Amino acid sequence: QQPVQSPQAVILREGEDAVINCSSSKALYSVHWYRQKHGEAPVFLMILLKGGEQKGHEKISASFNEKKQQSSLYLTASQLSYSGTYFCGTERGQTSGSRLTFGEGTQLTVNP
Amino acid sequence: EAGVVQSPRYKIIEKKQPVAFWCNPISGHNTLYWYRQNLGQGPELLIRYENEEAVDDSQLPKDRFSAERLKGVDSTLKIQPAELGDSAVYLCASSLFGVSYEQYFGPGTRLTVT
Repeated sequence: QQPVQSPQAVILREGEDAVINCSSSKALYSVHWYRQKHGEAPVFLMILLKGGEQKGHEKISASFNEKKQQSSLYLTASQLSYSGTYFCGTERGQTSGSRLTFGEGTQLTVNP
Repeated sequence: EAGVVQSPRYKIIEKKQPVAFWCNPISGHNTLYWYRQNLGQGPELLIRYENEEAVDDSQLPKDRFSAERLKGVDSTLKIQPAELGDSAVYLCASSLFGVSYEQYFGPGTRLTVT
């Protein structure tokens, strides 16, 4: 079952913050975040395993609320290079091994 | 370190023709994935290999799609015969171990069926 991402699209000015959400109706083992620029391959950002951890990667961080089966990606002080489509991928179940199912993506545009 | 290599990058064929895509994963990665990505959508898994074994092919349309991963390295995805609805980007990815590890994607093959 495909995770639901929100918002579908967001437009920012350089330096502004954004939050992208990913939710599932099923128990999740892990949540993956990828960014894809137009015409390019998806690029890995981070993985969060069940346990409610939070991770950071420069000015991009993410959290995973295991009880709510939700993950959020936080982009702070956005840069022009952050523009692209962000996909969450969810791995269902209690243990590793099921397939990664991607959401429909959130299109982020950062303007000068 | 070289990334995931795919060829061809673009392919235009007429419907009912066969087509094949090739993927060379990152050296040492034992898990290989084929995804299909339609315009404006996220990637959708077609098949996952762990070494030479196809461990998840439940979403592969087996009447027309086939895949192989000989010697647990390179992989080929074939469509025969192609249909108009097969037009999409076919992405290959690899990861060091299983699904819970980061996946590295190749540039993809953009297939257009006319």
